Amino acid sequence: SYELTQPPSVSVSPGQTARITCSGDALPKKYAYWYQQKSGQAPVLVIYEDSERPSGIPERFSGSRSGTMATLTISGAQVEDEADYYCYSTDNSGNQRVFGGGTKLTVL
Amino acid sequence: EVQLVESGGGLIQPGGSLRLSCAASGFTVSSSYMSWVRQAPGKGLEWVSLIYSGGSTYYADSVKGRFAISRDNSKNTLFLQMNSLRADDTAVYYCARMEQQLGFGMDVWGQGTTVTVSS
Repeated sequence: SYELTQPPSVSVSPGQTARITCSGDALPKKYAYWYQQKSGQAPVLVIYEDSERPSGIPERFSGSRSGTMATLTISGAQVEDEADYYCYSTDNSGNQRVFGGGTKLTVL
Repeated sequence: EVQLVESGGGLIQPGGSLRLSCAASGFTVSSSYMSWVRQAPGKGLEWVSLIYSGGSTYYADSVKGRFAISRDNSKNTLFLQMNSLRADDTAVYYCARMEQQLGFGMDVWGQGTTVTVSS
């Protein structure tokens, strides 16, 4: 079955730039999406179609995709950005959806 | 207000069945793509199933043949019928709307309902 691979953890100091990567064989042809999940809460969509930001998501959140890798960038990370982040995409058939394993972002 | 409210979770023995419900308000389930996503205790998110507005359905390999997604248009409600439950189905189950204007990203989520499979 199709898999998306993320680093288990990323740590930055407040104000620094955090980058979270996601690799998958179908990413050259399929969009990546990113979700933020804070402890005990439902996930929130922060990036869709590789680099688009839903209304209400701060501008410091951005996304990109190159080849088999997608990247979520948080420019000037804030303490409130501490959360688990999941990439999401589809396999080449377009019918199987998959989440990456998740990356715990620590900002301190 | 656009909202999803799940119900139907609980404690069930291995091999048993359970039906989860997801009541929608503020939008029409039958006109939307909808998904179920689960999260086992201390683990990451796992996509489970989706239903297109046209009615086509798709499942993760881990639940194929055991789970069935459906909807009741008159009640504006999404369902997940879960059969032959196993211990590794224990999780919080979320329903989510996949919004076309956001590339079918999941923009509205319920609060989740907990399913525990144990003897």
